[in-house]
Amino acid sequence: GQQLNQSPQSMFIQEGEDVSMNCTSSSIFNTWLWYKQDPGEGPVLLIALYKAGELTSNGRLTAQFGITRKDSFLNISASIPSDVGIYFCAGRGYGNKLVFGAGTILRVKS
Amino acid sequence: DSGVTQTPKHLITATGQRVTLRCSPRSGDLSVYWYQQSLDQGLQFLIQYYNGEERAKGNILERFSAQQFPDLHSELNLSSLELGDSALYFCASSVAPSGFHNEQFFGPGTRLTVL
Repeated sequence: GQQLNQSPQSMFIQEGEDVSMNCTSSSIFNTWLWYKQDPGEGPVLLIALYKAGELTSNGRLTAQFGITRKDSFLNISASIPSDVGIYFCAGRGYGNKLVFGAGTILRVKS
Repeated sequence: DSGVTQTPKHLITATGQRVTLRCSPRSGDLSVYWYQQSLDQGLQFLIQYYNGEERAKGNILERFSAQQFPDLHSELNLSSLELGDSALYFCASSVAPSGFHNEQFFGPGTRLTVL
């Protein structure tokens, strides 16, 4: 079945630093999504990407849909303590099934 | 707040028991999805309903079943519970059964602990 490789598994960074994480797939996707999950809560949709090469921003967050359609990255600029959480990528192919990465745990030192 | 509600928030039960988790989708959403999240498995898709009908099945065990009612709320039934069923169970909803821009919005989850 389809699998997503998300990296890094975890990050421990200083407040104010920029963060980068990415996902790669063995299959082509037509949609890439990035979610954030706070402790004890459900995943919240941050950014949705629908076109190869698309670059989309949401505040300090920027995500790109790779031109091969097999990868995506998420950047967070000038991290703050509330950025702490688990970030998930998710991809959808030509069916409706959403496949999730294993998540990147982000910890921020203030 | 995504608009998706789930009850209960926490559930503690014993092995062999049966529990029911409940989900109400966002207003206007006709499709409901159930996911299981455990520490070593990440988010695993279980099952999808659309307007009362089963639409897609993922890695759902035979001991688990779900349904979507005419008012569009959904219930996930877990029976003959085992220790390994301890996990977070999320419900998500979307407007349509499939298609572009048909994104899923997640509820706050139910944490199930099987002792």
